[in-house]
Formats: sequence, structure tokens, C-alpha cells
Amino acid sequence: QQQVKQSPQSLIVQKGGISIINCAYENTAFDYFPWYQQFPGKGPALLIAIRPDVSEKKEGRFTISFNKSAKQFSLHIMDSQPGDSATYFCAPLAGNNRKLIWGLGTSLAVNP
Amino acid sequence: NAGVTQTPKFRILKIGQSMTLQCTQDMNHNYMYWYRQDPGMGLKLIYYSVGAGITDKGEVPNGYNVSRSTTEDFPLRLELAAPSQTSVYFCASSYSSRQGELFFGEGSRLTVL
Repeated sequence: QQQVKQSPQSLIVQKGGISIINCAYENTAFDYFPWYQQFPGKGPALLIAIRPDVSEKKEGRFTISFNKSAKQFSLHIMDSQPGDSATYFCAPLAGNNRKLIWGLGTSLAVNP
Repeated sequence: NAGVTQTPKFRILKIGQSMTLQCTQDMNHNYMYWYRQDPGMGLKLIYYSVGAGITDKGEVPNGYNVSRSTTEDFPLRLELAAPSQTSVYFCASSYSSRQGELFFGEGSRLTVL
């Protein structure tokens, strides 16, 4: 049973466009909602994260939107750049056992 | 600032051979993790440790063993390698389980033939 469903699986965006990646979850005990970014040949790295007491967090061109009632959170990349081309993972933190639950990833390609 | 260091970066094994993937971190983190990553499958937790001398199984521990004799080191042992263990392995560490930020190494690509 997949606790976290990430969509889309892949995404192609033109330079300057908006990239949107969604993550739906089932476990209401999740209390920390991060997005990780992974470049080819590298390990994932934390990009941005949100806690459920706020509905939105913005860091530069990256924004997390959180909808607690719908049990989903989204990553928005504004003014997408070719350097943003990477795989993105949502990985909410389970409240009880304190381990990240990873989505299957979204491969983003930003065309120049 | 080295962070999390994994060795080797690449390795080819024959079926039935054994090997150890090394992982060391210099951030004094208590929590350490081993993941495997297969194409389109995300990251699967193999083993984790909450401190020196304490280890526990993750989602996919079969065929692997770990030890944690020091805060810095968390080696992953593969016994009797099988083709199903062909994967990219990542070691990670974190300061706190509540914070959720993991710091990853660059990975070890293992092929079992």
C-alpha cells in the first residue's frame, strides 16, 4: 500500500514557465512535509519543507502549498530554469516512527 | 566540509560474493540510514541507526547487515550478492528524527552479475 502518491511521473516545462508537482498522502499523522531535489549522479538534497500549521511557504522561486483537508501538498517552481532539471521527491515524515515516506519521484526537464 | 562520504562509488560483484559499502559522516549526527534506489521506485530504507550500538531494520533488510560501532561510521554489508541487489545505494544522516532533514552521500552504484 503506497502511503504517498506523487504526480506527475515526469514533466517537461519551457524556460520561464511554472512547474507544479503534487503529493497526496493518506497518513494523517504526518507532521513534516519536505521536498527533496536530486540531480543525476548525486544524492537527494532538501529543497524546501513545511509544517502543517501553515498553508504556504516560499523560498525564492520555490513554493510549497499545503492543503490539510485534501491531504495533499504541492511544489511550485516559478520561472523554471534549465538548472532546475532534476528529479523531485516528496517525503513526508511519519509522526509515529519518525521515518520519511518517499514518493516515487517526478523527473522534471526544463527546456531552454 | 565533507558531510557524508561513501565508498566505493562503483563496484561490480559476481553472484555469491560479499562486500561492504562504507559510509562515514563528520557532522556528529546520531541518526544514520541506508537506502537503495532503483529506477522509478523511489528510495527504500534498508537499515537505520539512532546512535552508536543501535541499529534497526527498514523496509527491505533481507540480504544486508549493518553495524554502528562509532557515531561517524555506518557500514552496509552485502552477503552472498544476488542480481536483485543491483542498485544505487545511498547513505544518509540527520541530526534529529523530528527535523526530517537528511544529508545524503553521493551514492554507490553496485552491479551484481
